[in-house]
Amino acid sequence: AQSVTQLGSHVSVSEGALVLLRCNYSSSVPPYLFWYVQYPNQGLQLLLKYTSAATLVKGINGFEAEFKKSETSFHLTKPSAHMSDAAEYFCAVTAYSGAGSYQLTFGKGTKLSVIP
Amino acid sequence: DAGVTQSPTHLIKTRGQQVTLRCSPKSGHDTVSWYQQALGQGPQFIFQYYEEEERQRGNFPDRFSGHQFPNYSSELNVNALLLGDSALYLCASSLGTYNTEAFFGQGTRLTVV
Repeated sequence: AQSVTQLGSHVSVSEGALVLLRCNYSSSVPPYLFWYVQYPNQGLQLLLKYTSAATLVKGINGFEAEFKKSETSFHLTKPSAHMSDAAEYFCAVTAYSGAGSYQLTFGKGTKLSVIP
Repeated sequence: DAGVTQSPTHLIKTRGQQVTLRCSPKSGHDTVSWYQQALGQGPQFIFQYYEEEERQRGNFPDRFSGHQFPNYSSELNVNALLLGDSALYLCASSLGTYNTEAFFGQGTRLTVV
């Protein structure tokens, strides 16, 4: 079984400030971890993914995330927020279940607001 | 290269009716998964289709059924609609069931009145 907890349903930052969105996961087997972004009335776009290679993962639009096994965390960061970063962000985990396929389990999402 | 396309984009149905949503996977992909995203929630896995068979299913009632065609496109059917079925339905495609990277469509917004 696997699960994801995203701390903070809503985060506000000033333009140019650090963005930190928190994600903790639970998985009984080595996980693969993802961050997706969703703009209003849109589908999900993959920002970055961790698949057991480097623990620091760089994604699109200047985002990165660090896999910390000891803390079961996969927090998303960006050094300097832009207005265009305002969106909802979802952390997701997947692991092989033995059923012959993978399925994504998502957190409830964190809505990021950027204040000019 | 066309990504994942879903139709229709919006739909309004009456409680008790039946609905069919459609998905065409990204070119080269053969596996389709469906997710339900209620307002203010993260997407929840409904089921996955590969080789025209349902391979895995989430915690959804039998009112939710699907189909995959030989060209890998897929349909999601929901019978006896309830108000609680109102949600954004997302389709995701991947290459093989062991591929961890999924590409999502724009979704179909279903409103049940």
